[in-house]
Amino acid sequence: DAMVIQNPRYQVTQFGKPVTLSCSQTLNHNVMYWYQQKSSQAPKLLFHYYDKDFNNEADTPDNFQSRRPNTSFCFLDIRSPGLGDAAMYLCATSKATSGGAWADTQYFGPGTRLTVL
Amino acid sequence: RKEVEQDPGPFNVPEGATVAFNCTYSNSASQSFFWYRQDCRKEPKLLMSVYSSGNEDGRFTAQLNRASQYISLLIRDSKLSDSATYLCVVPQQAGTALIFGKGTTLSVSS
Repeated sequence: DAMVIQNPRYQVTQFGKPVTLSCSQTLNHNVMYWYQQKSSQAPKLLFHYYDKDFNNEADTPDNFQSRRPNTSFCFLDIRSPGLGDAAMYLCATSKATSGGAWADTQYFGPGTRLTVL
Repeated sequence: RKEVEQDPGPFNVPEGATVAFNCTYSNSASQSFFWYRQDCRKEPKLLMSVYSSGNEDGRFTAQLNRASQYISLLIRDSKLSDSATYLCVVPQQAGTALIFGKGTTLSVSS
């Protein structure tokens, strides 16, 4: 059974048209992450939630926002997608993270592949 | 030193070969490390966690060298199905998340 679910699997949007990607999990994990992965590159962390606490990476553009209405769901909003935002967006979860030294295993969803026309 | 850095690859090996990848990290306080495998256009999947000196699972062995701040992944008796990108993952130095290396691509041929 899928533990981290992402919808849709493929999303096509127009330049500048807002888009929302969703992620849900059945693991009851405290932490949810959003990564952006472009072709032949490593996943790049955009932000993550530790419970309700939002942690934004310093180099994440303001164009990217996130919401976590409850433990199970997390959304990635791209307010004005540009051609450079075309990528695979990966959602991941972990039970906990204590920062700096210890980290828990992350479980990934299948990703949403975003195309910007 | 970058937070995490991997061998550039690609590694092209024949079936049955032994291949090793290295990954260096900058956070000397790190206590947990991970190797993920990623197939083309798929999500990363956990291959191995490393919390002490090393870990072994069948043909796969991960070793940790704290003094030199690197972890390695050894694959013995390579199979065609081992062809993938292998990602080294370490805790973020200033934060509470994990950071991925750029990945090393392995291609096993018959």
